Formats: sequence, C-alpha cells, structure tokens
Amino acid sequence: AQTVTQSQPEMSVQEAETVTLSCTYDTSESNYYLFWYKQPPSRQMILVIRQEAYKQQNATENRFSVNFQKAAKSFSLKISDSQLGDTAMYFCAFMEAFYGQNFVFGPGTRLSVLP
Amino acid sequence: DAGVTQSPTHLIKTRGQQVTLRCSPKSGHDTVSWYQQALGQGPQFIFQYYEEEERQRGNFPDRFSGHQFPNYSSELNVNALLLGDSALYLCASSPRGDTWQETQYFGPGTRLLVL
Repeated sequence: AQTVTQSQPEMSVQEAETVTLSCTYDTSESNYYLFWYKQPPSRQMILVIRQEAYKQQNATENRFSVNFQKAAKSFSLKISDSQLGDTAMYFCAFMEAFYGQNFVFGPGTRLSVLP
Repeated sequence: DAGVTQSPTHLIKTRGQQVTLRCSPKSGHDTVSWYQQALGQGPQFIFQYYEEEERQRGNFPDRFSGHQFPNYSSELNVNALLLGDSALYLCASSPRGDTWQETQYFGPGTRLLVL
C-alpha cells in the first residue's frame, strides 16, 4: 500500500519570505501523480499544484513550485513571497495513474505566515 | 460555474443513529469520491462512485454505504454511528470517469459530531 509522509507538523514563515514543505512517499509503481492541496481555516480543500511522475520537469504555478525527486520519492513544495493568505494546512497526496484510483493523503503541515 | 456542494454543513447525532450526507459534483463531473477527515489528520478515502456504481472502496466497514444518482449527485450513509465517526466528511468530484482524469475538486465538507 502507498504511504505519504509529511515530517513537519507545523511551520511558520515571515511574510514575503520563502518556505519549503517536505513530503515523501512510498510506492512500487512507476507511473503516478502527486499533488499539494491547501486547506485554509474555512476548510475547503484547494488544489495548489500537481506533478506527473513521468515528467522530469518540476511543476510551477505562480509563487508555488515543487522539487520532485523520483528516485528519492520526495516531493517538496516551495512557496515564494509568502502571503498572509497562504496560512493553511497543506496536504501532500499521491495517486496511482490508472483507472479509478483514489488519493492517499499525508497527515498535513500547518503553515502560519506571520506579518 | 458552481463548484462541489455538500449538505448539510454541520450535523449532530447520537450513537447508534443513522446519517445521510449529500454531495453535488462540479458541473461536467461524473465521478464522486468521499473522504473522512478526522480532526488534525489528512483525509482518508471511503469510496468512489461512477455510473451509479461503487468503483472502489477504502478500508471502511459496511456501516458506510453510498449511492450515486443519474444526475451524478451522491449520498453517503453511515449506520449505527460510533463516537469515532465524528469527523469532517469531504466529497470530491472529477470529470469524465471513462477517460482518466486525476485531479479531484473538493467540496467544503460536512462536519459530523456524534455524541
């Protein structure tokens, strides 16, 4: 079974600074997808960024980028120019790339952006 | 374009009772997944519905059952409620289940409290 680990239960960063959230996963599959989801205090889960395992290029979405190391099974999220609205729980999620598979989520990292 | 909607937002039940939670997927989506998120944890996959049938199931007892209607909306039923069923229940939808689409869009959730 796949597992997702986030080793940082809580993190904080000053506004406008850069922060990196860690995620490691365990799978025997070669083709899969990885995601970062954000869950603000309002609790709606919002997709931040996704990465296809077959792509070597790291995904980027505006201030959000990932460092995908397939051999190390590592998938970290970098947030640049942190904003107060980035305060939230961040979940790393894994999905095998075949029909009908479900997400496996990590336990989450609570990020606080400080003014 | 309405996103994923869920009802009710909050619910209080007592042990042994039964509960039904409802979900309407995002427009154009035909696949619905349900997750249980205990306080301070990542979401856990319950099951997924496509074409009105349960396509995949996580490690949850038979007390958890579901249904999908022809309009793609879905219900989650939990029988014989236990205190441990207290959680945020998230619904997620994804498009075109017959051609694999990996990104899921989440609703705001239903907070269930079992006393």
